Amino acid sequence: LAKTTQPISMDSYEGQEVNITCSHNNIATNDYITWYQQFPSQGPRFIIQGYKTKVTNEVASLFIPADRKSSTLSLPRVSLSDTAVYYCLVGDKDSNYQLIWGAGTKLIIKP
Amino acid sequence: NAGVTQTPKFQVLKTGQSMTLQCAQDMNHEYMSWYRQDPGMGLRLIHYSVGAGITDQGEVPNGYNVSRSTTEDFPLRLLSAAPSQTSVYFCASSLLDRASPLHFGNGTRLTVT
Repeated sequence: LAKTTQPISMDSYEGQEVNITCSHNNIATNDYITWYQQFPSQGPRFIIQGYKTKVTNEVASLFIPADRKSSTLSLPRVSLSDTAVYYCLVGDKDSNYQLIWGAGTKLIIKP
Repeated sequence: NAGVTQTPKFQVLKTGQSMTLQCAQDMNHEYMSWYRQDPGMGLRLIHYSVGAGITDQGEVPNGYNVSRSTTEDFPLRLLSAAPSQTSVYFCASSLLDRASPLHFGNGTRLTVT
C-alpha cells in the first residue's frame, strides 16, 4: 500500500514562513492533494486543496510541481496557535483510489 | 450549525461487549466515513458511504459494521470489542465524495479492557 511521506516534526519561530513537504509517488491521475490541521483532542480541520501548480487561500499556500509526486504546504508568518499536526492527504491508485493519510508532521512554533 | 456530531465522547468497554458509536451531520453531505487514530499513526479508514443505502469497506474494516439508512446518520457498530480496538474514532463527512474537503467530528475515545 503506497504511503505519503512527511517529516515527523518541525520547529519554527513566530513570524517565520514554514514549508512542509509531502511526497506521494503513486498519486491517482484525477486526485486532489489536500492538507489538514489537527489540534490535540480535536478532529482534523481542512486547510487547503489543490490539483496542480499553486493554490492560495487566507491561511496557506499549496505548491504542486508538474509531476505531482510531491506538494508543499506553506504557512506564512506563523504564530503559536499554528502549533499542531499537519496531514497530507492524497488518493492512491494502488488501493482502488482510497484516500491514504500520511503520518503527519508535528509543527512546533516557538516564541 | 452543529456540523458533525459524535457521541459518546468517551467509552469504556469490556472485551466481548458490543456498542454503537453515533455520528450525525446536518450539512446534507452525501459522503460519510469512519476513521480510527492510534498513537503515532495517521488516520485509517474503517468504512465509508457515498450516500444513503450505500456503504463500503475501508482499510481496516474487520470487527466493525456500518449502515446508512438516512443521509444524516452513519453509526459504527463494534460487534465484539477487543483490546486492539482501543483507539480514538473520528467520523467525517463531505459534500459530494472523497475529493471534497472532509468535515470531522471531535472524536470518540474508546478503551477496551
